[in-house]
Amino acid sequence: GESVGLHLPTLSVQEGDNSIINCAYSNSASDYFIWYKQESGKGPQFIIDIRSNMDKRQGQRVTVLLNKTVKHLSLQIAATQPGDSAVYFCAENRGAQKLVFGQGTRLTINP
Amino acid sequence: DAGVIQSPRHEVTEMGQEVTLRCKPISGHDYLFWYRQTMMRGLELLIYFNNNVPIDDSGMPEDRFSAKMPNASFSTLKIQPSEPRDSAVYFCASSLAGSSPLHFGNGTRLTVT
Repeated sequence: GESVGLHLPTLSVQEGDNSIINCAYSNSASDYFIWYKQESGKGPQFIIDIRSNMDKRQGQRVTVLLNKTVKHLSLQIAATQPGDSAVYFCAENRGAQKLVFGQGTRLTINP
Repeated sequence: DAGVIQSPRHEVTEMGQEVTLRCKPISGHDYLFWYRQTMMRGLELLIYFNNNVPIDDSGMPEDRFSAKMPNASFSTLKIQPSEPRDSAVYFCASSLAGSSPLHFGNGTRLTVT
């Protein structure tokens, strides 16, 4: 399948530290990428997006980097807070509005 | 803005019963999507609509699944008959236009016993 969810990669960081979540995508024709945050019992929440004509985009405390050469996407969260604990998904638009999600990474912020 | 609204939040039913999930997209959004989330397969796109018209239903698992969008403010996903393997969280999402962020509802957790 296009995403395997049985064992989520996990990342634990100390509160206040920076975190980097990585994602590899598969389709070189994908032209639009989005990061989502999902908290327990809720739907995925939009964080930030980037189009393929860019390699970096910044938001509030978050930065997304896109490396098309190696088909790699990363989400950097600065000065992490307890509320950042969640599962983070990258998604790629493979055309015709078909948004395909990665498996997700569980981020835990330790106090 | 109330966001995407899904109902019910939880549904428990017995195998063989019909299940209907409901979604109200964000007003003004032209696209509506149905996703299913399981531990094994993650988030899977089932079907999406543009201006109330189904565009791609290739993700619908089998004929037991059907989706409708009778107007711009309402969509349903129906499973008939339901089976235990349909147990999952079903999400509805909407977006303003193509290649714009999807806004998700909080999902319907379906349990088929």
